[in-house]
Amino acid sequence: DTAVSQTPKYLVTQMGNDKSIKCEQNLGHDTMYWYKQDSKKFLKIMFSYNNKELIINETVPNRFSPKSPDKAHLNLHINSLELGDSAVYFCASSPGTSFTDTQYFGPGTRLTVL
Amino acid sequence: KNEVEQSPQNLTAQEGEFITINCSYSVGISALHWLQQHPGGGIVSLFMLSSGKKKHGRLIATINIQEKHSSLHITASHPRDSAVYICAVRSTGNQFYFGTGTSLTVIP
Repeated sequence: DTAVSQTPKYLVTQMGNDKSIKCEQNLGHDTMYWYKQDSKKFLKIMFSYNNKELIINETVPNRFSPKSPDKAHLNLHINSLELGDSAVYFCASSPGTSFTDTQYFGPGTRLTVL
Repeated sequence: KNEVEQSPQNLTAQEGEFITINCSYSVGISALHWLQQHPGGGIVSLFMLSSGKKKHGRLIATINIQEKHSSLHITASHPRDSAVYICAVRSTGNQFYFGTGTSLTVIP
């Protein structure tokens, strides 16, 4: 059983398009995260939700909007994609709140904007 | 200057060697994480520390809050330990900072 899954694994799209990445966890965790890893492999946290409530919202363009329909899902919607959005996006979950517990990562979604 | 600095940036070791990766940070923290990113890209959370020391198998993580420093040690290193190791902190001001990673290669 996959603990944290993301779809799609690869996403290639044109500048200006709108796209979504989905994340699901079957661990019963209360907290989910989105991370971005850029072309230089630098990792940074973008958002975190705890029980469907946004608790971390780092400095991210408002073209990025997370949506949590329930505590097992955290989707990332990106509007008006730009070249600089090309990166690998990782979803993660943890039992506790906000970076205080071991996190379980999804396999990543490689987004390429042409 | 990054709030989290790791050293070394790159490390090559012979199988069986004892390895130390260092993480220094400049902010007050409430939690520090060590992450491992495999060559295939997958990320595993190794440790979460707020004080003291933790051990899991051949890996040991320590933190000195006063000196703002953490170390990750690998005993009896093995080629499967080859990965990028990333240090990340949550500051007491609820900001999040990540190191640029230490790339470890263990040669058989």
